[in-house]
Amino acid sequence: EDQVTQSPEALRLQEGESSSLNCSYTVSGLRGLFWYRQDPGKGPEFLFTLYSAGEEKEKERLKATLTKKESFLHITAPKPEDSATYLCAVQKETSGSRLTFGEGTQLTVNP
Amino acid sequence: DTAVSQTPKYLVTQMGNDKSIKCEQNLGHDTMYWYKQDSKKFLKIMFSYNNKELIINETVPNRFSPKSPDKAHLNLHINSLELGDSAVYFCASSQDVLRTYGYTFGSGTRLTVV
Repeated sequence: EDQVTQSPEALRLQEGESSSLNCSYTVSGLRGLFWYRQDPGKGPEFLFTLYSAGEEKEKERLKATLTKKESFLHITAPKPEDSATYLCAVQKETSGSRLTFGEGTQLTVNP
Repeated sequence: DTAVSQTPKYLVTQMGNDKSIKCEQNLGHDTMYWYKQDSKKFLKIMFSYNNKELIINETVPNRFSPKSPDKAHLNLHINSLELGDSAVYFCASSQDVLRTYGYTFGSGTRLTVV
């Protein structure tokens, strides 16, 4: 059965304290792995898509990487405005446009 | 201009009632979705339409019925609401069934059944 597991469930950082969020997946035939950011009371906002092991994408203080079993979202020198829930999702080659989501990591960055 | 808009944003209703949630996208996308997010933030797909045709129908009670009058609109009707239906329902769209990068989500409808 396809599984997407994110860790930790919650993470508290001080402003400027870099860290990583993890997304482990067991999916046969991965077509793509997606990272989203979700703020309270809002819908998920697309951040990155990764398609193959070794691929990396960057946006401001965020960098996403992909291996054959997991993806990391590295946050460098985070700011309070980076506080949000970060969601990981996978798309299988055989599942059309369906995304399977993990349960998210709630990130809080204290000033 | 909101890309994917849902109405209403909040819905409080009694058990047994019937309610609808509406969704519209102005992105010109072919594919639209309904996802349910439970209290633990877990997002799960319910339905998907591509150009008005139902293409994904997950294991969802028959009380839930989607309708797509055209490719820019996807509505969700729920009959005989139950307490367990309380959740946040998100509408989303993607360019088509293959180009799903950057699904665009609406801001959600928080349904509370009392």
